[in-house]
This record gives sequence, structure tokens and C-alpha cells, in this order.
Amino acid sequence: NAGVTQTPKFQVLKTGQSMTLQCAQDMNHEYMSWYRQDPGMGLRLIHYSVGAGITDQGEVPNGYNVSRSTTEDFPLRLLSAAPSQTSVYFCASSSGLSNSPLHFGNGTRLTVT
Amino acid sequence: GQQLNQSPQSMFIQEGEDVSMNCTSSSIFNTWLWYKQDPGEGPVLLIALYKAGELTSNGRLTAQFGITRKDSFLNISASIPSDVGIYFCAGQLGAAGNKLTFGGGTRVLVKP
Repeated sequence: NAGVTQTPKFQVLKTGQSMTLQCAQDMNHEYMSWYRQDPGMGLRLIHYSVGAGITDQGEVPNGYNVSRSTTEDFPLRLLSAAPSQTSVYFCASSSGLSNSPLHFGNGTRLTVT
Repeated sequence: GQQLNQSPQSMFIQEGEDVSMNCTSSSIFNTWLWYKQDPGEGPVLLIALYKAGELTSNGRLTAQFGITRKDSFLNISASIPSDVGIYFCAGQLGAAGNKLTFGGGTRVLVKP
């Protein structure tokens, strides 16, 4: 059982480059979300989705786009990377049922130079 | 936005010691969660608390949901080396596991 799978594990970008962080889950979860983790700040919600075709902004959405064309996948796009987006990115999912826990992937470490 | 203040930011443990950490919020939550993160991995859920005043245990871990719904603590009894890691509290307003607000984390290290 793979759970939540994130790729790539590491990525280095130059300022202005674009890329997509991939996230896939095989648990048939309705809810998926993206967080970024910075030192001393815990995890902050970027975007989330309550089901295929539905996305919404979290606490720090600027500079990121998402889409949810299938239940399984929830990619995060950086259209023009900036050094401030250097961070560790975590994708998470849950079934959406009451008291259902959030399952996290193992993260993507992104460096923007 | 909402903020969770987690303390201490870091602590050293000696095997066998009990340790405690807590989290306070400026606003209420319906659910409090405690996660542990090991290096290179995502956070893993340790304990979930769903009712104000609730005290829940998971092995050597005990956590409580504050009666005001604005705070929570986590205790680890008889610590062992594998307890090392970063512990995060998280608050949730909705019924489902989405849109969590995280504390800044408590880094647990072994005493040299």
C-alpha cells in the first residue's frame, strides 16, 4: 500500500523557472492538500481540494497553482519560481469522513537559487 | 490568521525521563492533533483529540484537549532513543482531516 507518493524527492530550480510537484494517493481519499514547511514555522497550508474538480486556497497560496482532474492526483505548479519558495513541500490526503486522520507524503525538498 | 504557539522549541531528553510539551492558540479548535516527524519523512499522526477535556493515551504518549479548546499538551513517559524527532501540534476546525493549523514544532534531542 503506497499511501501518498510525492515526486521528485529533491529539486533545484533557478529563479523564474517553472515546475510541477507531483502527488498521488491510492487510498481513494476525497481530501488532498499541499503544505510547505519552513524552519520554526511548522507546516502552512498552500492549497487544498475537497474532491475532483474542486480546489481552494489555503493560508499561503501566492505563487502556486493546483488542479484536481482525478481523485488520485493533486499536482502543485510553480509558474515562476522565487527564492522565497525554497522549502520542503508536503502533500497530504484524508478520506473526509469525520475523525479521519491526515496522511502525509515524504515531502519534496525544493531549492530555488 | 490563527496561530499556534508550541513550547518548548527544543528539548534534550535522557533515556527513561518523562517529557512534556504544549500548544496554545489564540482561537478555539474542534480537534487537536499531535504528529511526529522523523528526518526525511512526512509527519505521522500520534494522537487525535476530539472533545474538550478529553485525555487520550497511545502507549507511552498521553495528550489532553484543553477545556477552553485553546490548548493541548503531550506527555511522553519513560523516553527512549527513538523518541527523538520533531513533534507538531495541529488544530482543526472542520469535521474532516483537512485545513490544519500547525504549531512551530518541538525538536526532541538526546542529551550528549
